[in-house]
Amino acid sequence: IAGITQAPTSQILAAGRRMTLRCTQDMRHNAMYWYRQDLGLGLRLIHYSNTAGTTGKGEVPDGYSVSRANTDDFPLTLASAVPSQTSVYFCASSKEPGANTEAFFGQGTRLTVV
Amino acid sequence: AQSVTQLGSHVSVSEGALVLLRCNYSSSVPPYLFWYVQYPNQGLQLLLKYTTGATLVKGINGFEAEFKKSETSFHLTKPSAHMSDAAEYFCAVSVTGTASKLTFGTGTRLQVTL
Repeated sequence: IAGITQAPTSQILAAGRRMTLRCTQDMRHNAMYWYRQDLGLGLRLIHYSNTAGTTGKGEVPDGYSVSRANTDDFPLTLASAVPSQTSVYFCASSKEPGANTEAFFGQGTRLTVV
Repeated sequence: AQSVTQLGSHVSVSEGALVLLRCNYSSSVPPYLFWYVQYPNQGLQLLLKYTTGATLVKGINGFEAEFKKSETSFHLTKPSAHMSDAAEYFCAVSVTGTASKLTFGTGTRLQVTL
């Protein structure tokens, strides 16, 4: 089934450790996004990529980095995890970057930083 | 910058009753508006969207929403709730020039009771 695959599905991480959340899509979408979901705050954009080779900062980028070496993959890295990064992380993609295009979401990664 | 306010973090309705989930937006330019649904432990999926044209938008699973510019609203309705509608619903807005960076509301959890 075509779509977005995120890994791992959940993780408990010690503070200070480095962690990469993986995201792969097989829809050949140009645009990809990382959101974090926190209770009472909805989803907030961390980073985005309009096309392979380009990335941009979203609303809450501090402490996170991304890369987009090819169309399919968009990993999110926490260089040194802190407890405030405990959240559910969603990767999403859309066919093209554009304000009126539908975003497709992965199943999420539940991250707990202790 | 654009924003979305969802009134009511939790709504409970009886099976067969009308569902009304409220969303108001703020934008200095014409917005694109979306409703997404999130079932437990899953990612978000698009219910419906308003881009241009007809202000009454029909989506999946019998949901619809009406764009009212004068009220800056985009409320989601369904004539008759079903148990399977129990989920969290997110309203989102984007505008031209933001490269599909969706701004989400904080979400409304819909409970359906017998």
